[in-house]
Amino acid sequence: EAQVTQNPRYLITVTGKKLTVTCSQNMNHEYMSWYRQDPGLGLRQIYYSMNVEVTDKGDVPEGYKVSRKEKRNFPLILESPSPNQTSLYFCASRRQVNTGELFFGEGSRLTVL
Amino acid sequence: QQQVKQSPQSLIVQKGGISIINCAYENTAFDYFPWYQQFPGKGPALLIAIRPDVSEKKEGRFTISFNKSAKQFSLHIMDSQPGDSATYFCAASRDYGGSQGNLIFGKGTKLSVKP
Repeated sequence: EAQVTQNPRYLITVTGKKLTVTCSQNMNHEYMSWYRQDPGLGLRQIYYSMNVEVTDKGDVPEGYKVSRKEKRNFPLILESPSPNQTSLYFCASRRQVNTGELFFGEGSRLTVL
Repeated sequence: QQQVKQSPQSLIVQKGGISIINCAYENTAFDYFPWYQQFPGKGPALLIAIRPDVSEKKEGRFTISFNKSAKQFSLHIMDSQPGDSATYFCAASRDYGGSQGNLIFGKGTKLSVKP
């Protein structure tokens, strides 16, 4: 089954404690991206990657890091989480060449106390 | 600067009615306009998409209407059903010589269809 898998799905943490949200896709997609969803603000892009070892900032990259060492994986790293990073996070992937459907994971709800 | 403006923010429709969600864009280089549907607890999923070479695309009860000169596009849901209750996002992107650019999303519309 074609899918984008995120872990953890739910996480409560404290300010300053480093955490990583993993994302893996099994569709051999070149493009992967992270979004955060907040009430009234819609989906805002954090970082994206056009292919292995190629990453770039989205609209709201502050406080986040990413890496793309393998095609299937695109982890999101919060080095020192703060309460304003409490949000619902989505990973997504698609083919890069030509116009393709963006496939989303089921989301990771993060609470930073 | 918000490049895709979506309205309304929320919408309540009676079962059997027509739901209409509107989006306006600024960048005339955009050439792909999808709509995504998100149910509670799930990630968004592609519903229907259109390119500017056609003014309308219909898939079942869902229709996209596109007005290139006005830089607007809209989603119409005919015979709305309670199962259509979800959040809907419009989006836009441009093609860079065969390579798709990032999708720019609207802020979403929460649709509730009352039985």
